[in-house]
Amino acid sequence: AQKITQTQPGMFVQEKEAVTLDCTYDTSDQSYGLFWYKQPSSGEMIFLIYQGSYDEQNATEGRYSLNFQKARKSANLVISASQLGDSAMYFCAMREDNDYKLSFGAGTTVTVRA
Amino acid sequence: GAVVSQHPSWVICKSGTSVKIECRSLDFQATTMFWYRQFPKQSLMLMATSNEGSKATYEQGVEKDKFLINHASLTLSTLTVTSAHPEDSSFYICSARDHPAGGTEAFFGQGTRLTVV
Repeated sequence: AQKITQTQPGMFVQEKEAVTLDCTYDTSDQSYGLFWYKQPSSGEMIFLIYQGSYDEQNATEGRYSLNFQKARKSANLVISASQLGDSAMYFCAMREDNDYKLSFGAGTTVTVRA
Repeated sequence: GAVVSQHPSWVICKSGTSVKIECRSLDFQATTMFWYRQFPKQSLMLMATSNEGSKATYEQGVEKDKFLINHASLTLSTLTVTSAHPEDSSFYICSARDHPAGGTEAFFGQGTRLTVV
Protein backbone atom coordinates (compact mmCIF):
# COMPACT_ATOMS: atom_id res chain seq x y z
CA ALA A 1 0.00 0.00 0.00
CA GLN A 2 1.24 3.46 -0.84
CA LYS A 3 2.34 5.31 2.27
CA ILE A 4 2.72 8.78 0.80
CA THR A 5 0.37 10.25 -1.79
CA GLN A 6 1.05 13.39 -3.76
CA THR A 7 -1.81 13.93 -6.19
CA GLN A 8 -0.45 16.93 -8.07
CA PRO A 9 2.05 15.85 -10.74
CA GLY A 10 2.72 19.43 -11.80
CA MET A 11 1.84 22.97 -10.82
CA PHE A 12 2.41 26.42 -12.19
CA VAL A 13 2.67 29.42 -9.90
CA GLN A 14 3.24 33.08 -10.56
CA GLU A 15 6.33 34.66 -9.09
CA LYS A 16 5.73 36.20 -5.64
CA GLU A 17 2.57 34.19 -5.09
CA ALA A 18 2.10 31.34 -2.63
CA VAL A 19 1.65 27.72 -3.61
CA THR A 20 0.40 24.73 -1.65
CA LEU A 21 1.63 21.23 -2.39
CA ASP A 22 -0.58 18.43 -1.16
CA CYS A 23 0.61 15.37 0.71
CA THR A 24 -1.35 12.69 2.50
CA TYR A 25 0.14 9.75 4.32
CA ASP A 26 -0.85 6.42 5.73
CA THR A 27 0.60 4.87 8.85
CA SER A 28 -0.56 2.99 11.90
CA ASP A 29 2.38 4.23 13.98
CA GLN A 30 1.80 6.84 16.64
CA SER A 31 5.30 8.19 16.26
CA TYR A 32 6.50 9.23 12.83
CA GLY A 33 8.14 12.08 10.99
CA LEU A 34 7.19 13.92 7.84
CA PHE A 35 9.65 15.61 5.52
CA TRP A 36 9.66 17.76 2.44
CA TYR A 37 12.57 17.76 0.04
CA LYS A 38 13.29 19.87 -3.03
CA GLN A 39 15.01 18.30 -6.01
CA PRO A 40 16.21 20.73 -8.69
CA SER A 41 17.24 19.51 -12.12
CA SER A 42 20.75 18.86 -10.81
CA GLY A 43 19.33 15.94 -8.84
CA GLU A 44 20.45 16.81 -5.34
CA MET A 45 17.90 16.37 -2.57
CA ILE A 46 17.55 19.51 -0.49
CA PHE A 47 15.89 19.19 2.90
CA LEU A 48 13.23 21.84 3.42
CA ILE A 49 11.19 21.13 6.51
CA TYR A 50 10.32 18.50 9.09
CA GLN A 51 7.23 17.81 11.21
CA GLY A 52 7.16 15.28 13.98
CA SER A 53 3.91 13.49 14.73
CA TYR A 54 3.89 14.79 18.28
CA ASP A 55 4.66 18.37 17.34
CA GLU A 56 1.66 20.49 18.20
CA GLN A 57 2.66 23.47 16.14
CA ASN A 58 3.06 23.52 12.40
CA ALA A 59 6.68 23.63 11.32
CA THR A 60 8.01 26.71 9.57
CA GLU A 61 11.35 27.38 7.91
CA GLY A 62 11.64 30.74 6.25
CA ARG A 63 9.28 30.78 3.28
CA TYR A 64 8.30 27.17 3.87
CA SER A 65 5.56 26.10 6.21
CA LEU A 66 3.96 22.75 6.76
CA ASN A 67 0.21 22.56 7.28
CA PHE A 68 -0.03 19.48 9.47
CA GLN A 69 -3.51 18.04 9.96
CA LYS A 70 -2.99 14.87 11.90
CA ALA A 71 -6.58 13.67 11.93
CA ARG A 72 -6.72 13.96 8.16
CA LYS A 73 -3.23 12.54 7.80
CA SER A 74 -2.14 15.39 5.62
CA ALA A 75 1.09 17.39 5.59
CA ASN A 76 0.82 20.04 2.93
CA LEU A 77 3.75 22.28 2.10
CA VAL A 78 3.16 25.97 1.60
CA ILE A 79 5.76 28.01 -0.23
CA SER A 80 5.17 31.72 0.19
CA ALA A 81 6.41 34.49 -2.10
CA SER A 82 7.53 32.07 -4.82
CA GLN A 83 10.80 32.75 -6.57
CA LEU A 84 12.05 31.58 -9.95
CA GLY A 85 14.60 29.45 -8.13
CA ASP A 86 11.80 27.49 -6.49
CA SER A 87 11.13 25.71 -9.78
CA ALA A 88 11.92 22.08 -8.99
CA MET A 89 10.41 18.76 -8.06
CA TYR A 90 9.16 18.51 -4.49
CA PHE A 91 8.87 15.29 -2.55
CA CYS A 92 6.95 14.53 0.60
CA ALA A 93 8.42 11.72 2.67
CA MET A 94 7.65 9.86 5.87
CA ARG A 95 9.79 8.08 8.39
CA GLU A 96 8.05 5.67 10.71
CA ASP A 97 9.91 5.56 13.97
CA ASN A 98 10.21 1.84 14.09
CA ASP A 99 12.20 2.07 10.89
CA TYR A 100 14.62 4.77 9.81
CA LYS A 101 13.83 4.38 6.11
CA LEU A 102 12.09 7.17 4.23
CA SER A 103 9.08 6.49 2.03
CA PHE A 104 8.65 9.06 -0.71
CA GLY A 105 5.64 10.30 -2.59
CA ALA A 106 5.56 10.53 -6.37
CA GLY A 107 6.57 14.17 -6.30
CA THR A 108 5.15 17.43 -7.61
CA THR A 109 6.90 19.49 -10.24
CA VAL A 110 6.59 23.19 -9.54
CA THR A 111 7.23 25.74 -12.24
CA VAL A 112 7.42 29.38 -11.21
CA ARG A 113 6.51 31.85 -13.93
CA ALA A 114 7.90 35.38 -14.09
CA GLY B 1 23.81 20.41 8.31
CA ALA B 2 25.84 17.26 7.91
CA VAL B 3 27.55 16.59 4.59
CA VAL B 4 27.27 13.45 2.52
CA SER B 5 29.52 13.18 -0.51
CA GLN B 6 28.75 10.82 -3.37
CA HIS B 7 31.16 9.95 -6.13
CA PRO B 8 31.15 9.91 -9.08
CA SER B 9 28.40 12.35 -9.99
CA TRP B 10 28.02 10.72 -13.37
CA VAL B 11 29.43 7.68 -15.11
CA ILE B 12 29.10 6.04 -18.50
CA CYS B 13 30.06 2.41 -18.77
CA LYS B 14 29.88 -0.38 -21.28
CA SER B 15 27.34 -3.14 -20.94
CA GLY B 16 28.73 -6.05 -18.96
CA THR B 17 31.14 -4.03 -16.85
CA SER B 18 30.82 -3.18 -13.16
CA VAL B 19 30.55 0.26 -11.65
CA LYS B 20 31.26 1.30 -8.06
CA ILE B 21 29.58 4.29 -6.45
CA GLU B 22 30.85 5.69 -3.16
CA CYS B 23 28.89 7.44 -0.46
CA ARG B 24 30.81 9.17 2.33
CA SER B 25 29.67 10.99 5.42
CA LEU B 26 32.22 13.77 5.77
CA ASP B 27 31.60 15.21 9.22
CA PHE B 28 29.69 12.56 11.09
CA GLN B 29 29.59 8.84 11.60
CA ALA B 30 26.82 7.05 9.79
CA THR B 31 26.04 3.61 11.10
CA THR B 32 23.24 3.37 8.58
CA MET B 33 23.11 4.55 5.00
CA PHE B 34 20.41 4.10 2.41
CA TRP B 35 20.63 3.61 -1.34
CA TYR B 36 17.86 4.83 -3.63
CA ARG B 37 17.22 4.57 -7.33
CA GLN B 38 15.31 7.14 -9.31
CA PHE B 39 14.10 6.96 -12.89
CA PRO B 40 13.45 10.24 -14.75
CA LYS B 41 10.55 12.23 -13.33
CA GLN B 42 9.75 9.48 -10.85
CA SER B 43 10.07 9.07 -7.14
CA LEU B 44 12.98 7.71 -5.16
CA MET B 45 12.73 3.99 -4.59
CA LEU B 46 14.67 2.51 -1.71
CA MET B 47 16.97 -0.27 -2.85
CA ALA B 48 18.70 -1.25 0.34
CA THR B 49 19.74 -0.28 3.82
CA SER B 50 23.46 -0.40 4.42
CA ASN B 51 24.59 -1.19 7.96
CA GLU B 52 28.18 -0.71 9.06
CA GLY B 53 29.85 -4.01 9.75
CA SER B 54 26.98 -6.20 8.66
CA LYS B 55 25.15 -7.29 5.54
CA ALA B 56 22.89 -4.89 3.75
CA THR B 57 19.13 -5.31 3.89
CA TYR B 58 17.61 -5.28 0.43
CA GLU B 59 14.09 -4.23 -0.47
CA GLN B 60 11.83 -6.70 -2.17
CA GLY B 61 12.59 -7.09 -5.84
CA VAL B 62 16.16 -5.77 -5.65
CA GLU B 63 18.77 -8.26 -6.79
CA LYS B 64 21.44 -8.37 -4.11
CA ASP B 65 23.89 -10.17 -6.37
CA LYS B 66 23.58 -7.41 -8.93
CA PHE B 67 23.70 -4.46 -6.55
CA LEU B 68 26.49 -5.21 -4.10
CA ILE B 69 26.61 -3.00 -1.03
CA ASN B 70 29.55 -2.74 1.30
CA HIS B 71 29.63 -0.60 4.44
CA ALA B 72 33.11 -1.25 5.74
CA SER B 73 33.49 1.85 7.87
CA LEU B 74 31.35 4.37 9.72
CA THR B 75 31.88 6.93 6.98
CA LEU B 76 31.80 4.94 3.75
CA SER B 77 29.26 2.81 1.94
CA THR B 78 29.70 1.60 -1.62
CA LEU B 79 27.21 0.36 -4.19
CA THR B 80 28.58 -1.78 -7.00
CA VAL B 81 26.40 -2.40 -10.02
CA THR B 82 27.72 -5.67 -11.39
CA SER B 83 27.49 -6.70 -15.03
CA ALA B 84 25.63 -3.52 -15.83
CA HIS B 85 23.03 -3.47 -18.59
CA PRO B 86 21.25 -0.55 -20.26
CA GLU B 87 18.19 -1.10 -18.05
CA ASP B 88 20.39 -0.31 -15.04
CA SER B 89 20.81 3.22 -16.34
CA SER B 90 19.34 5.43 -13.66
CA PHE B 91 20.03 8.02 -11.00
CA TYR B 92 21.39 6.48 -7.82
CA ILE B 93 21.46 8.48 -4.62
CA CYS B 94 22.51 7.66 -1.09
CA SER B 95 21.48 9.12 2.22
CA ALA B 96 22.70 8.90 5.79
CA ARG B 97 21.61 9.95 9.23
CA ASP B 98 23.87 11.08 12.00
CA HIS B 99 22.41 8.44 14.21
CA PRO B 100 22.70 7.87 17.09
CA ALA B 101 23.80 11.48 17.54
CA GLY B 102 20.27 12.42 16.72
CA GLY B 103 18.85 14.75 14.12
CA THR B 104 15.63 14.36 12.31
CA GLU B 105 16.62 14.68 8.72
CA ALA B 106 18.36 12.37 6.33
CA PHE B 107 21.27 13.92 4.47
CA PHE B 108 21.63 13.04 0.83
CA GLY B 109 24.60 12.74 -1.44
CA GLN B 110 24.62 14.57 -4.74
CA GLY B 111 23.56 11.46 -6.65
CA THR B 112 25.16 9.51 -9.49
CA ARG B 113 23.78 9.38 -13.00
CA LEU B 114 24.67 6.01 -14.47
CA THR B 115 24.41 5.44 -18.20
CA VAL B 116 25.12 1.97 -19.53
CA VAL B 117 25.80 1.80 -23.26
